[in-house]
Amino acid sequence: DTGVSQDPRHKITKRGQNVTFRCDPISEHNRLYWYRQTLGQGPEFLTYFQNEAQLEKSRLLSDRFSAERPKGSFSTLEIQRTEQGDSAMYLCASSLVAGGRNEQFFGPGTRLTVL
Amino acid sequence: DAKTTQPPSMDCAEGRAANLPCNHSTISGNEYVYWYRQIHSQGPQYIIHGLKNNETNEMASLIITEDRKSSTLILPHATLRDTAVYYCIVGNDMRFGAGTRLTVKP
Repeated sequence: DTGVSQDPRHKITKRGQNVTFRCDPISEHNRLYWYRQTLGQGPEFLTYFQNEAQLEKSRLLSDRFSAERPKGSFSTLEIQRTEQGDSAMYLCASSLVAGGRNEQFFGPGTRLTVL
Repeated sequence: DAKTTQPPSMDCAEGRAANLPCNHSTISGNEYVYWYRQIHSQGPQYIIHGLKNNETNEMASLIITEDRKSSTLILPHATLRDTAVYYCIVGNDMRFGAGTRLTVKP
């Protein structure tokens, strides 16, 4: 257990539905990352927050995806109008950036299946 | 940011040292090298990081060449539980490649 939790662990939804995932980072960590991972591939960066500010979004993050980190604590990732291609593992990670270092600690992931 | 190159797969005998190479020829002077591993169906796990000097912790050792263009992660006595995909990353933006799939065999 890294101290990063994600909820739910599994989500099955029908195409066109909206889904929301939550990530609770390690409490003193100032950065929070979201990744997506499909079978046989490494994690793909989606977006990250420095405290409550969303500093970077990948072009993979279409307008159907939105992420928030209110108050710089937990974060949510919402996918609207889900498509079958959204089926993947969604990973959250947190880190404490200091002195150029940035070791990330990952949660267990949320596995999304879109039918 | 720097890009890394790793072999797609490696095998290692149980109890022997596993040496996983990574090339990062375009690394910048202030960029750290990080290693993570991912066991099937779990999130990636941080292993070790380094800047210029070699590093060792309870999990592994990291050897960084003097020119910093490559590094090697060493698992000194590999066990079956070390079978995983190992990722080498440089810099702070954390772009993961495909990694090296290490299989430890009895």
